[in-house]
Amino acid sequence: DAGVIQSPRHEVTEMGQEVTLRCKPISGHNSLFWYRQTMMRGLELLIYFNNNVPIDDSGMPEDRFSAKMPNASFSTLKIQPSEPRDSAVYFCASGGQSTDTQYFGPGTRLTVL
Amino acid sequence: RKEVEQDPGPFNVPEGATVAFNCTYSNSASQSFFWYRQDCRKEPKLLMSVYSSGNEDGRFTAQLNRASQYISLLIRDSKLSDSATYLCVVNTGNQFYFGTGTSLTVIP
Repeated sequence: DAGVIQSPRHEVTEMGQEVTLRCKPISGHNSLFWYRQTMMRGLELLIYFNNNVPIDDSGMPEDRFSAKMPNASFSTLKIQPSEPRDSAVYFCASGGQSTDTQYFGPGTRLTVL
Repeated sequence: RKEVEQDPGPFNVPEGATVAFNCTYSNSASQSFFWYRQDCRKEPKLLMSVYSSGNEDGRFTAQLNRASQYISLLIRDSKLSDSATYLCVVNTGNQFYFGTGTSLTVIP
């Protein structure tokens, strides 16, 4: 199995631009999680899906962030418009059950100038 | 109060030493517990789940104390390759909560 796949691996953009991060979970997993990690705040859960349905988006910082999961094999996290304080590593993780272990993708390192 | 709290360290120990990390959690109804390892500029990876009876995997031993609401990780005979950040994870059934991590450096 290829594991969780994320793209792009690195993204550098200017303030105000739209950013779209992509994730392909492990085949057969029915939970998908988006996290953000910074030195200051550590790993923060943004949103998670179960069977493609958003269950908890309370971690989404503000309306500039949105996430979708149109099918079991693909999810996106969009930031529009981006701001410098959004600079972080964004991880996607998938799991077999909502209480099962999570497997992380390699992350997308986002820099907003 | 944070859901999960860890001592950030850093812990600097010589090769071959035994080192222990603790992690406390605030929700007494938490259901499952894990330790993850994260290397610099890499993603977190599952190290081991933590069971009520305690469990061991080679040089690693994990313990859960529900009464005091803490979990621990013991590393025996530490190796240079154990240098990493160790994240405590608690699942309340509704959400996963990650600690901020404990940094370990094993020195030759």
